[in-house]
Amino acid sequence: QVQLQESGPGLVKPSETLSLTCTVSGVSLSRYHWSWIRRPPGKELEWIGYIFYSGSTTYNPSLKSRLSMSVDTSRSQFSLNLSSVTAADTAVYYCASTGSNYEFDNWGQGTLVAVSS
Amino acid sequence: DVQMTQSPSSLSASVGDRVTITCQASRDISYYVNWYHMKPGTAPRLLIYSGSNLETGVPSRFSGSGSGTDFILTISSLQPEDFGTFYCQQFDHLPLTFGGGTKVEMK
Repeated sequence: QVQLQESGPGLVKPSETLSLTCTVSGVSLSRYHWSWIRRPPGKELEWIGYIFYSGSTTYNPSLKSRLSMSVDTSRSQFSLNLSSVTAADTAVYYCASTGSNYEFDNWGQGTLVAVSS
Repeated sequence: DVQMTQSPSSLSASVGDRVTITCQASRDISYYVNWYHMKPGTAPRLLIYSGSNLETGVPSRFSGSGSGTDFILTISSLQPEDFGTFYCQQFDHLPLTFGGGTKVEMK
């Protein structure tokens, strides 16, 4: 059974960097691409980007200038760093496996990150 | 970006009702649509991939159809565990984009 769990601070100050980690169990990281998705309060789901186990990435152009993703196969984890955050980055952040049809077939439960001073 | 417009944004229905949710793309995306179900406090669930393919373990009361710009998710007989919010997602063009969601509530 594939399981994903997000972890990281629930509160980040404006202009700082939001950092989250997703820990994967039940499957090898080489099996999928691995995505981050977020849902700001009252707004639509937004795909942030994905990373392959090799480290190759594809980012949403709307966030690309502030975004960095990495993967640690030894720990079965992948991570998200979003710099220069503002209140608009407040959201529930999800990690998910991404299949060959770009379907998100396994998700974490999500973690709320608030940007506030 | 491809805009995905879902309708209705919310609906009230009873257990046993047939429910249809539509998703319209801002341009032709062939059959490249996936559907998800989200409930508070639980991980989102993939229901349908590539327009009409039922994900393993998903009940057969869920079905997807459509191509081009218009897509439909149908629940043939609504069950208590189906309440929540449903989303479509296109994967024909990057960035991947979602519809605004359809919240299904108990009548």
